[in-house]
Amino acid sequence: SYELTQPLSVSVALGQTARITCGGNNIGSKNVHWYQQKPGQAPVLVIYRDNNRPSGIPERFSGSNSGNTATLTISRAQAGDEADYYCQVWDSSTVVFGGGTKLTVL
Amino acid sequence: EVQLVESGGGLVQPGGSLRLSCAASGFTFSSYWMHWVRQAPGKGLVWVSRINSDGSSTAYGDSVKGRFTISRDNAKNTLYLQMNSLRAEDTAVYYCARDSTPGYYYMDVWGKGTTVTVSS
Repeated sequence: SYELTQPLSVSVALGQTARITCGGNNIGSKNVHWYQQKPGQAPVLVIYRDNNRPSGIPERFSGSNSGNTATLTISRAQAGDEADYYCQVWDSSTVVFGGGTKLTVL
Repeated sequence: EVQLVESGGGLVQPGGSLRLSCAASGFTFSSYWMHWVRQAPGKGLVWVSRINSDGSSTAYGDSVKGRFTISRDNAKNTLYLQMNSLRAEDTAVYYCARDSTPGYYYMDVWGKGTTVTVSS
């Protein structure tokens, strides 16, 4: 089965740029989606199809996908961005989530 | 307002059964594929199951295959998850989610979740 690998944690200074990676075999050939989940809340879609933002998601959130790595980039990080982030793909008729990355804003 | 509201969670003994429901409103439910996703305490998201718009096609994660059944009633705008032979490792918050666009398989609307605890 297809596996997605994310770092357990990423830290970023307030106002700086955070990058969260999602690794998978030839992931560049797949559509990658990203979700944000704050404690006690349901996940929220923040990026779909590699680099598209749903309405209401700040422009500070962007995505890229190439080769074996997809990346979620959060510019000008704010305290409110502190959350768990999950990447997701569709493979062999199933949904696959990465293990999740805890973003800490210092 | 587009909304998904799960219900039916609770405490159940190992080997028992439970049926979860997800009531949809604010959109044309019958036009969308739907998913169940779960999250064990302190753990990540795990996909459980999906169903297509008319209920004719379903798929399951390996950990629940043969024990769980997804279904829907488009007349009642409701999604279901029948869970049988429950195990301690099925303990989790269960979310229903709407699949945004056929062919891309991402979830743009999520419910708040319902908690299932499997314990004796």
